[in-house]
Amino acid sequence: NAGVTQTPKFRVLKTGQSMTLLCAQDMNHEYMYWYRQDPGMGLRLIHYSVGEGTTAKGEVPDGYNVSRLKKQNFLLGLESAAPSQTSVYFCASSYGADRYGYTFGSGTRLTVV
Amino acid sequence: AQSVSQHNHHVILSEAASLELGCNYSYGGTVNLFWYVQYPGQHLQLLLKYFSGDPLVKGIKGFEAEFIKSKFSFNLRKPSVQWSDTAEYFCAVTRNTGFQKLVFGTGTRLLVSP
Repeated sequence: NAGVTQTPKFRVLKTGQSMTLLCAQDMNHEYMYWYRQDPGMGLRLIHYSVGEGTTAKGEVPDGYNVSRLKKQNFLLGLESAAPSQTSVYFCASSYGADRYGYTFGSGTRLTVV
Repeated sequence: AQSVSQHNHHVILSEAASLELGCNYSYGGTVNLFWYVQYPGQHLQLLLKYFSGDPLVKGIKGFEAEFIKSKFSFNLRKPSVQWSDTAEYFCAVTRNTGFQKLVFGTGTRLLVSP
């Protein structure tokens, strides 16, 4: 019963490098989300997806891209990392309308130097 | 735009003290309300949620929350905290119609001293 799995758990990047964060869920959820968590700012939505093949911008999408080629996977890409992207990234998924609440992954701590 | 306010950023309590964390939201329509908890180094977990019915909601680990529509509030309470309740607590809100994204408050960091 894995739920939502994020890889990697930790990563250090140099400014300008690229990377992809992977989120996988085994609950057959339609909706998936990427958040970033920064001290004193709570969780801010980066991008989300309402189904396979769909993506949409959230509150802070600049500098990130996403893809949802398979229903169970939601990838977050940083094409050219910047120090401002140092954060903890959480993936979440849900059945649909948010009355069910979200299931969160364990997070990825990213440092950009 | 819909927003969620948690006015207490840091709370320090002794074990056995009572807890109340404030949460206010700005949206005027029908809402769904949630409290999540994040223990140190872990991901967010759902504590409790309110959709409709009895405005007093009971969650896991002895937590409860009361929805007061006239005050746009959903405060979290626990009669007697334990050291293991040390965590960050997030209130979240979404509309009750169609697909609407969850909007989180900025969180309240609770430290319970033994």
